[in-house]
This record gives sequence, C-alpha cells and structure tokens, in this order.
Amino acid sequence: AQSVTQLDSQVPVFEEAPVELRCNYSSSVSVYLFWYVQYPNQGLQLLLKYLSGSTLVESINGFEAEFNKSQTSFHLRKPSVHISDTAEYFCAVSEGQGAQKLVFGQGTRLTINP
Amino acid sequence: NAGVTQTPKFRILKIGQSMTLQCTQDMNHNYMYWYRQDPGMGLKLIYYSVGAGITDKGEVPNGYNVSRSTTEDFPLRLELAAPSQTSVYFCASSYSHSGNTIYFGEGSWLTVV
Repeated sequence: AQSVTQLDSQVPVFEEAPVELRCNYSSSVSVYLFWYVQYPNQGLQLLLKYLSGSTLVESINGFEAEFNKSQTSFHLRKPSVHISDTAEYFCAVSEGQGAQKLVFGQGTRLTINP
Repeated sequence: NAGVTQTPKFRILKIGQSMTLQCTQDMNHNYMYWYRQDPGMGLKLIYYSVGAGITDKGEVPNGYNVSRSTTEDFPLRLELAAPSQTSVYFCASSYSHSGNTIYFGEGSWLTVV
C-alpha cells in the first residue's frame, strides 16, 4: 500500500528566505507525485506534479520539486518566499495505473513572517 | 466556469440525523471523489466514481453512501450522523487517466453534536 510522510507539520520562515517542505513516500509500484496547496478556508489547488521525464518540476509561482527515486522523496522548495505563500501544503501520490486515487500526506503549514 | 460546487458550506447535525452533501461539476469529468479532512491530517478518500452508475469504496467508507446518476452530480449521504463524522468534506473531479489534475470544491464543514 502507498503512504506519504510529510516530515514537518509546521514550517515558519521569514519573508524572502528560502524554504524546503519535505515529503517521502512508499510504494511498490511506479507512482505519480503531486503537491497541492490549500489557502485558508479554500479547497486544494494543484501546485505541481511529476508524471515522468525530468525529475525537476516547476510551478508558475516559483516553487519547484525534485523526484528522487532512490530516496523515495519529492521535496518542495522555493528560493524566496512571500507573505502570500502562507498556506497548507499537501504532498500526494497515486499509482501510475488504474483509477486516479490520491493518497495524501498529513500536510505542512507554511507560515511566512514579515 | 464554476468547476466543482459543493453545498452546504456549513452544517451542524445532531447525533443520529441524516443529511446529504451535494456536489456538482461542470467540466464533464468522468471521475468524481469524496474526501474528508480531519485536523492535522491529510485527506482520506471516502468514495469515488469512475462514471455514471459506477461507485466504489475508498479508504474510509463506513457511515456514508453515494450515488452517481449523472456525470455532473455525486452526492454523499450520511445516514446516522456520529461525532466521528465531524470533519471537512471535499468533493473533487478529474478526467480518467492517472496523472490528471484533480479539481477540488471549496469544502463543506460538518459538525455533529
């Protein structure tokens, strides 16, 4: 069975500082990997995803994540955060075949301090 | 483009009462899902549907029922509400192929007292 572990439940950083949100997964088959963001009182929105090809994927707002198969990780990074990045971030995995069912990590609350 | 729409947004239920959470999507997606989100936890899949007339259990289906009579609608029914069902519920939809983006509604906050 698949599982996802987000190693930090909360990450406080100062504005313009770099940040890394860690995600590890376990699965016996090939997987697709996702990062979703949830702003306060809203639903989840896709931030970026890895399906195949280049192991480094980027979002339009400056986040990037790197798929590391040997370490079964998919950490999310941003070199310089803004107040508007304050949100909860969820890592998720789905098997590469069959029904599109996501298994989510517990979430990491990113708080940006001015 | 409305996307995924859920109603109601907030509801308080008494133990033993029943209710239905409504969900509709206008993107012509064939896959639809119901997730619940408990504090400090990730989302757990309750039920999903791969098309009209077809539903299947997810990770935490006990205490819930679903139906899918049309492509657009996927209601979630709680028959005998229990305090353990206090949660935030998210409906979502996607195209069928694995790897496609799943689009979420804004959530329904349910409290059972």
